[in-house]
Amino acid sequence: QKEVEQDPGPLSVPEGAIVSLNCTYSNSAFQYFMWYRQYSRKGPELLMYTYSSGNKEDGRFTAQVDKSSKYISLFIRDSQPSDSATYLCAMSSGNQFYFGTGTSLTVIP
Amino acid sequence: DTEVTQTPKHLVMGMTNKKSLKCEQHMGHRAMYWYKQKAKKPPELMFVYSYEKLSINESVPSRFSPECPNSSLLNLHLHALQPEDSALYLCASSHEERDTQYFGPGTRLTVL
Repeated sequence: QKEVEQDPGPLSVPEGAIVSLNCTYSNSAFQYFMWYRQYSRKGPELLMYTYSSGNKEDGRFTAQVDKSSKYISLFIRDSQPSDSATYLCAMSSGNQFYFGTGTSLTVIP
Repeated sequence: DTEVTQTPKHLVMGMTNKKSLKCEQHMGHRAMYWYKQKAKKPPELMFVYSYEKLSINESVPSRFSPECPNSSLLNLHLHALQPEDSALYLCASSHEERDTQYFGPGTRLTVL
């Protein structure tokens, strides 16, 4: 079983839609949870990170962590064509850092 | 300033060449990382430096040789690479080894 599971998509939505991206994980020791956005041929850009269960909001983005279910989500409200990218979840425990496989998102104008 | 810089942006090299990738951060981070990323795949960890000492080497072939001259700089020396080593090489840094990582833009490497 992989440490982190993420649906690779691709996901295609119309502009203005609410996007939900999800990851599940198996290691209950994970403490830090991150979402990165990666445009084609560029390095990953940190979008949000959380340390504990609950919600964290930043503009149009909301990160949600449910440690009891070992499930994290990223919601994007009022999606824009500029949100088209690959979204990678990542989580860490101690000196181990794991990425999901990434979800490719296209927002259609 | 949350910037990690990498040079060069692009590199084309032959299998007999020796080249180096450079990474720099001025955030006072004490952990720095090298990742390799193939197309449509997540980054794969290669090396971790913590407080300028090699902390993790993920069984990377010896044709890749990391170096951490000081707390702000990280190099990756390349020698006798293979075409399958062509990839995006990403550098990242974090405050401490277990913390959130900030990535550079990457070096696109092509081995002919």
